[in-house]
Amino acid sequence: AQSVSQHNHHVILSEAASLELGCNYSYGGTVNLFWYVQYPGQHLQLLLKYFSGDPLVKGIKGFEAEFIKSKFSFNLRKPSVQWSDTAEYFCAVKMDSNYQLIWGAGTKLIIKP
Amino acid sequence: KAGVTQTPRYLIKTRGQQVTLSCSPISGHRSVSWYQQTPGQGLQFLFEYFSETQRNKGNFPGRFSGRQFSNSRSEMNVSTLELGDSALYLCASSLSLAGYEQYFGPGTRLTVT
Repeated sequence: AQSVSQHNHHVILSEAASLELGCNYSYGGTVNLFWYVQYPGQHLQLLLKYFSGDPLVKGIKGFEAEFIKSKFSFNLRKPSVQWSDTAEYFCAVKMDSNYQLIWGAGTKLIIKP
Repeated sequence: KAGVTQTPRYLIKTRGQQVTLSCSPISGHRSVSWYQQTPGQGLQFLFEYFSETQRNKGNFPGRFSGRQFSNSRSEMNVSTLELGDSALYLCASSLSLAGYEQYFGPGTRLTVT
């Protein structure tokens, strides 16, 4: 079955640390890839997306993600996190076999000031 | 542009009752998706409507149903409520089918007692 895995359910970092959140999917065809973020008390919002082209995509607030097709991965990165990055992060994948978005379980990120 | 709106924002119901939640998408958006979000299960896809037709459905029992009107507004209904239905119900709209960028509403917090 098609699935999306986010390896870490909880991540705790100190401010200024580097961040990498993993996202892997199980599907060999064409994909559209998304990272969404939910800040405490706020709506889910799009952080960045990949449809085609340069596999390194940049999103809002200094986040970026790299699509590595051979590894079926779309990991989210940020060189230096801030306390305001505390949130839950969701990876989502659209596989060309259907129009449904498949969601990862989410990663809760806590940044210690 | 106004964002996705959901009503009501909070709801308390008793086991066995039924409930109807409403979602108004961003103007011009034709796709509406519904999700259930709980701390234990994360984001679970319920169904997606596009041009008044259900296009995708998640793995929820038949007690969960929905519909979309000609103005793209959508409602979801849960009959014979169970304690386990307590959750945040999110609505998301998209210009096209949900394989593209989705915009989320604030959610309806349903508590079943």
